[in-house]
Amino acid sequence: DAKTTQPNSMESNEEEPVHLPCNHSTISGTDYIHWYRQLPSQGPEYVIHGLTSNVNNRMASLAIAEDRKSSTLILHRATLRDAAVYYCILRDYRNAGNMLTFGGGTRLMVKP
Amino acid sequence: DGGITQSPKYLFRKEGQNVTLSCEQNLNHDAMYWYRQDPGQGLRLIYYSQIVNDFQKGDIAEGYSVSREKKESFPLTVTSAQKNPTAFYLCASSRWGPPADTQYFGPGTRLTVL
Repeated sequence: DAKTTQPNSMESNEEEPVHLPCNHSTISGTDYIHWYRQLPSQGPEYVIHGLTSNVNNRMASLAIAEDRKSSTLILHRATLRDAAVYYCILRDYRNAGNMLTFGGGTRLMVKP
Repeated sequence: DGGITQSPKYLFRKEGQNVTLSCEQNLNHDAMYWYRQDPGQGLRLIYYSQIVNDFQKGDIAEGYSVSREKKESFPLTVTSAQKNPTAFYLCASSRWGPPADTQYFGPGTRLTVL
């Protein structure tokens, strides 16, 4: 799977929007962009995924650059509960296998 | 409630002992996975299973063994051959097949070797 690069950590104030960047310059045309997050001492949970178009769900929005070499996870109003490590992962949709390759992720800290 | 359960939440083991971690899912998923997480690191794949009675090694399978006798269950045994077993162990499940599908994770088991 192609590699992703994320900042080690970011800070945000409560109730403000948060933009979490992810670079994936070697992305292939068949790679989906997935985001998972891991709250402290818990298993990861799925947040959102997309291929080419921007995506929205109840948790977040995913903005994908036109050349697909980068993407941004957007939390519209950060809460204290959003403090977690956020992982950006590429998955080739041609593969039946569904293994996820986790990098270090971005640790998001939310200040009250 | 559908989901994945792991037990126990905390596990202590003496050096040289084998220990088995439990993972059960009622999501009717074909695929199940075991990951290991060390402090401050991402997850690394130990083993995965696409279907009952079949499993494959992941990136760090040495010192671990698994079985998949039932669709719902995928226990992981940490053997005495695993040199540094203290870690957070996570089990996950998903459907199997393209396009890439969401994985659902259990709450994890924290293993400490004394």
